[in-house]
Amino acid sequence: DQQVKQNSPSLSVQEGRISILNCDYTNSMFDYFLWYKKYPAEGPTFLISISSIKDKNEDGRFTVFLNKSAKHLSLHIVPSQPGDSAVYFCAASARGSNYKLTFGKGTLLTVNP
Amino acid sequence: ETGVTQTPRHLVMGMTNKKSLKCEQHLGHNAMYWYKQSAKKPLELMFVYSLEERVENNSVPSRFSPECPNSSHLFLHLHTLQPEDSALYLCASSQDYIRGTGLKKGTEAFFGQGTRLTVV
Repeated sequence: DQQVKQNSPSLSVQEGRISILNCDYTNSMFDYFLWYKKYPAEGPTFLISISSIKDKNEDGRFTVFLNKSAKHLSLHIVPSQPGDSAVYFCAASARGSNYKLTFGKGTLLTVNP
Repeated sequence: ETGVTQTPRHLVMGMTNKKSLKCEQHLGHNAMYWYKQSAKKPLELMFVYSLEERVENNSVPSRFSPECPNSSHLFLHLHTLQPEDSALYLCASSQDYIRGTGLKKGTEAFFGQGTRLTVV
């Protein structure tokens, strides 16, 4: 049973446009959410996170939105750049087991020049 | 460069071999992790060490044996693996393992580049 779902395996966007990556979760105990970015032949790198007490967190071109009632979060990248092309993983953690990140399968983002 | 270094980057081993994966972190973190990434599957947590003590073992077969001699180093000893164990093995570290208090900024995990393991 997959508790964190990224239903789009891939997304293609034009440079300069907005990229929206989606993530759904089923475990209502999750209270912390993270996005990781992964280039080929490299490990994932932390990108941005959000606590369940917030509905939005912004860091430069990256904004994460959390809709707790829908158990949905999204990552917005504006404007998208070719260097943003990578696999993006959504991850979640529950209070009391914060070290245990549950990951989605990832979405491959391709930003075309 | 994330501050977490894994060696080797690639490893091919036979089913009767014994090998070890090494992870080293220079971030002063207290918690270290082994993850497995198989094709078309989510990252799976295998083991967690906090202050050199194993605090999590996610039903991993005994042919995988972790070792954490100090807070900067983590090993994964491999023996009599199966072809289905072929995967990318990722090491990660985080500042702390905080039991029961929830997450706060700074406890995000930092990953190494991974070891691509092929069992033949």
